[in-house]
Amino acid sequence: QVQLVQSGAEVKKPGASVQVSCKASGYTFNSYDINWVRQAPGQGLEWMGWMNPNTGNTGYAQNFQGRITMTRNTPLSTAYMELSGLRSEDTAVYFCVRGDGYSSSWFAYWGQGTLVTVSS
Amino acid sequence: DIQMTQSPSSLSASVGDRVTITCRASQSVGTYFNWYQQKPGKAPKLLVYDASTLQSGVPSRFRAVESGTDFTLTISSLQPEDFATYYCQQTYTYPYTFGQGTKLEIK
Repeated sequence: QVQLVQSGAEVKKPGASVQVSCKASGYTFNSYDINWVRQAPGQGLEWMGWMNPNTGNTGYAQNFQGRITMTRNTPLSTAYMELSGLRSEDTAVYFCVRGDGYSSSWFAYWGQGTLVTVSS
Repeated sequence: DIQMTQSPSSLSASVGDRVTITCRASQSVGTYFNWYQQKPGKAPKLLVYDASTLQSGVPSRFRAVESGTDFTLTISSLQPEDFATYYCQQTYTYPYTFGQGTKLEIK
């Protein structure tokens, strides 16, 4: 069965960087885009960007341009999301999500989420 | 960016009630539109994709309709497990955007 398993919770100081990993199993990793979505405490969902694991091509939401990097390790079937210049507003649960359908049109498979807390 | 506006933001209802949640897109998104259900502490769950297609395993009491830039999700007879927060999403163009959510609570 399709599974996306994310790395554990992180506590970071303002200005630091965080990297969250997302290990895929149960399908061919290269065949589906990986998206990242975050959710601040008590708030809604915010799409951050996408990555094509086959080509490494990425696309980022304007809100994160210059601070976000999505990469992958294909032999490990693992995607990574790094966010730099952390501020308190980046405290959130970060989800990796597989893009399904034509052009990654819907999100059927989600990771369990990784809580990133930014605090001095 | 395409804005997705959900209404209402919250809703109180009883088991057995029929409820409708609406989402309006700020411009055409075709049928590149999805609904998700999220329970506290859990990842969102895909309910509907392509504007009106129920994801496998979703009960038939859920129905989704598209009319231009207006989208509705109707639950015909609320069950206890349906009390959750519902989000709409457009995937017509980047950046993908979500509605602000509708919290469905037990009356």
